[in-house]
Amino acid sequence: SAVISQKPSRDICQRGTSLTIQCQVDSQVTMMFWYRQQPGQSLTLIATANQGSEATYESGFVIDKFPISRPNLTFSTLTVSNMSPEDSSIYLCSVEGQSRGYTFGSGTRLTVV
Amino acid sequence: AQSVTQLDSQVPVFEEAPVELRCNYSSSVSVYLFWYVQYPNQGLQLLLKYLSGSTLVKGINGFEAEFNKSQTSFHLRKPSVHISDTAEYFCAVSDPSGGSNYKLTFGKGTLLTVNP
Repeated sequence: SAVISQKPSRDICQRGTSLTIQCQVDSQVTMMFWYRQQPGQSLTLIATANQGSEATYESGFVIDKFPISRPNLTFSTLTVSNMSPEDSSIYLCSVEGQSRGYTFGSGTRLTVV
Repeated sequence: AQSVTQLDSQVPVFEEAPVELRCNYSSSVSVYLFWYVQYPNQGLQLLLKYLSGSTLVKGINGFEAEFNKSQTSFHLRKPSVHISDTAEYFCAVSDPSGGSNYKLTFGKGTLLTVNP
């Protein structure tokens, strides 16, 4: 299965600033997924990123707040913009592996102060 | 729309005891089902998945799950747990008819705590 390198692993940010999270995959993949895991909660899909097209956002998530780039088939970034304490979460990227076995990055633990 | 219900938010057990983590899903179509494990301060790791075929699915670390279509359940079991199994376990579902976008819908998770 694919191996995903996600960074940073954690960060503490000031409110009003932005953080860009990177995911690098060791193989070419068509789609990459970005999830948010709020404290004590399950994972919620933010958006699906296809190479060469605009990301598709889920209900409740907008491009201005969570812009995504997908410049090639092995890399994607998620930016959390104009952060507030409510954005404190773990953010994970994911790709679909063989036989629908999704692989996840190790996550970015974001704390907004 | 799909939804996943994990009936227990926390399950404490003693080492070497059996455990069952319950998962029910709601979907009007056929589904793919997954169990993931998240160890403290780590990402998610796939334990096992059901796509089709045999309803009893065996995964890594001695875990297995049984797909029950009539009960819309996919409970996870292990006959004898270890301290190292302490983690958060997530049940997830995806819709195979959703074109090429196989999004996962997750349950809220079950924290398994194995005590000595």
